[in-house]
Amino acid sequence: NAGVTQTPKFRVLKTGQSMTLLCAQDMNHEYMYWYRQDPGMGLRLIHYSVGEGTTAKGEVPDGYNVSRLKKQNFLLGLESAAPSQTSVYFCASRPLSSYEQYFGPGTRLTVT
Amino acid sequence: LAKTTQPISMDSYEGQEVNITCSHNNIATNDYITWYQQFPSQGPRFIIQGYKTKVTNEVASLFIPADRKSSTLSLPRVSLSDTAVYYCLVGDIRPGGGADGLTFGKGTHLIIQP
Repeated sequence: NAGVTQTPKFRVLKTGQSMTLLCAQDMNHEYMYWYRQDPGMGLRLIHYSVGEGTTAKGEVPDGYNVSRLKKQNFLLGLESAAPSQTSVYFCASRPLSSYEQYFGPGTRLTVT
Repeated sequence: LAKTTQPISMDSYEGQEVNITCSHNNIATNDYITWYQQFPSQGPRFIIQGYKTKVTNEVASLFIPADRKSSTLSLPRVSLSDTAVYYCLVGDIRPGGGADGLTFGKGTHLIIQP
């Protein structure tokens, strides 16, 4: 099993550009999450999904959209990137029956 | 979700036992306590989870007093490789329990010295 994978690993965007981050998991987990991590801020939840076709807002959802069209994939979109969205983005998943979240390796995004 | 308070940082030495305490005064009846570890440039990794009393696994122990208003993560005989950030999370993570998305907070930066 690959576990949780994230694409891309690094990306540089100009202000106003759009992009989509892809998270994929091969563990058949129901729950999936998107977090951002900034220096000194810990991890903050952006959006999450409790199943295919469902999404919900987390702590810092503004400026982001998500979709979960397939159970194994959770997409995070930035429609118009801003420098404040420069961060490391982590995706995670967990099964219905466990408390343990499995994290991906992260995507480092820089918006100039 | 219960708010948690942890020390920002801690220092210790190789071979010592390290205890990191997390305060969660408004923990609810159905809340569980979960700890994660994060190394630089990696995603967090689950360490241990508990509801009350003591839980032990191959990595750590978790002590939870009867009132459950705090918990202590205990790392036995630490090594340099235990240098990491440790997060305490509290919430009702049963399906439909309302904590489908938990908040990690800033965690405790543990530094182990030789």
